[in-house]
Amino acid sequence: GQQVMQIPQYQHVQEGEDFTTYCNSSTTLSNIQWYKQRPGGHPVFLIQLVKSGEVKKQKRLTFQFGEAKKNSSLHITATQTTDVGTYFCAGSSGSRLTFGEGTQLTVNP
Amino acid sequence: EAQVTQNPRYLITVTGKKLTVTCSQNMNHEYMSWYRQDPGLGLRQIYYSMNVEVTDKGDVPEGYKVSRKEKRNFPLILESPSPNQTSLYFCASSLSRKEQPQHFGDGTRLSIL
Repeated sequence: GQQVMQIPQYQHVQEGEDFTTYCNSSTTLSNIQWYKQRPGGHPVFLIQLVKSGEVKKQKRLTFQFGEAKKNSSLHITATQTTDVGTYFCAGSSGSRLTFGEGTQLTVNP
Repeated sequence: EAQVTQNPRYLITVTGKKLTVTCSQNMNHEYMSWYRQDPGLGLRQIYYSMNVEVTDKGDVPEGYKVSRKEKRNFPLILESPSPNQTSLYFCASSLSRKEQPQHFGDGTRLSIL
């Protein structure tokens, strides 16, 4: 079945450093979504990418969808303590939406 | 306020005692699903429903049942809970199909002793 792998599992950064999480699918995706889950909270939708090679930005966050539509990345520039949480990608293919394992980001002030 | 409501938020129970976790959404969404979240494993889909009376298995359906008799409600049933079903459960809904952004409930933490 479809697998979505996400790396790294954990990332610790100093405030102001950049952060990137990567998502790879075993199958071609129709779209990919990104979510953020704050500690103790529920996943909250950030963005959806649909087109091959698509790049979208939300303030300090940059999302990319690979040309082959099998991988994606989320990059945060100059992290802040408010960026703390777990970031999940979710790939859509066929009848399923499959989440990656998530990357837990901690930011040291 | 648009929301997905799960109940209970926390439950400690014993092996074999049937339980139901309710999920209700007020956004007229067609697509609803249940996930469980375990450390290191992310969110794994248990069951999903494309519309009323239409349900299908996700990646980890064993030991769970669901029903979708009304559009707004999608209860998760554990007929005979076991300790390996101790987890954090999330219900989610989206406007239609899986491609739409998922709106998650606040989660239900189940402990099966």
